Amino acid sequence: SQTIHQWPATLVQPVGSPLSLECTVEGTSNPNLYWYRQAAGRGLQLLFYSVGIGQISSEVPQNLSASRPQDRQFILSSKKLLLSDSGFYLCAGSRDRGRTEAFFGQGTRLTVV
Amino acid sequence: GENVEQHPSTLSVQEGDSAVIKCTYSDSASNYFPWYKQELGKRPQLIIDIRSNVGEKKDQRIAVTLNKTAKHFSLHITETQPEDSAVYFCAASKGYGNKLVFGAGTILRVKS
Repeated sequence: SQTIHQWPATLVQPVGSPLSLECTVEGTSNPNLYWYRQAAGRGLQLLFYSVGIGQISSEVPQNLSASRPQDRQFILSSKKLLLSDSGFYLCAGSRDRGRTEAFFGQGTRLTVV
Repeated sequence: GENVEQHPSTLSVQEGDSAVIKCTYSDSASNYFPWYKQELGKRPQLIIDIRSNVGEKKDQRIAVTLNKTAKHFSLHITETQPEDSAVYFCAASKGYGNKLVFGAGTILRVKS
């Protein structure tokens, strides 16, 4: 079965520091991969999605970037964190290029101080 | 692009009553509609999904209905229990090679 590994679970970073969150997928090939941010415990804001290696679609202008160096690896990055980057970040994947449901990683709670 | 609207934003029901959450989507090409449940501090988990070739799907106390003409779909929970309290998200996708777009979520509180 498909599994999404995401780490770390919690992270406290100072303003202006860099960020790298990694997500890996097991149990499937050719997945669509997603990064979502959830602020204030509510809506899932789609930040980036990828249908294949090196293919990244950015949904909202922001201080973040994403990369997909391997089919099963999706990385969320920032060169300089802002206070507004705090939130709950969720990586998700769906096999068969998005033909089926998305499975979520455990999430990373990022606090920028 | 696809836009998914979800209502209500919060819903309180008495234990044993039914709960209904509704979503509308904008892109008529969307053909896959999953529903997720997210408990506090945890990841969203799929609870039921429906594809556009089906009008209704049921799994024990949970059912989903789809009206393609009106472009809306609904989640129905019968005989609600306190453990049903969570945030529920609907989503829509055009399937292969396309992104999954979520609604804003509904906070369901089941009062005992």
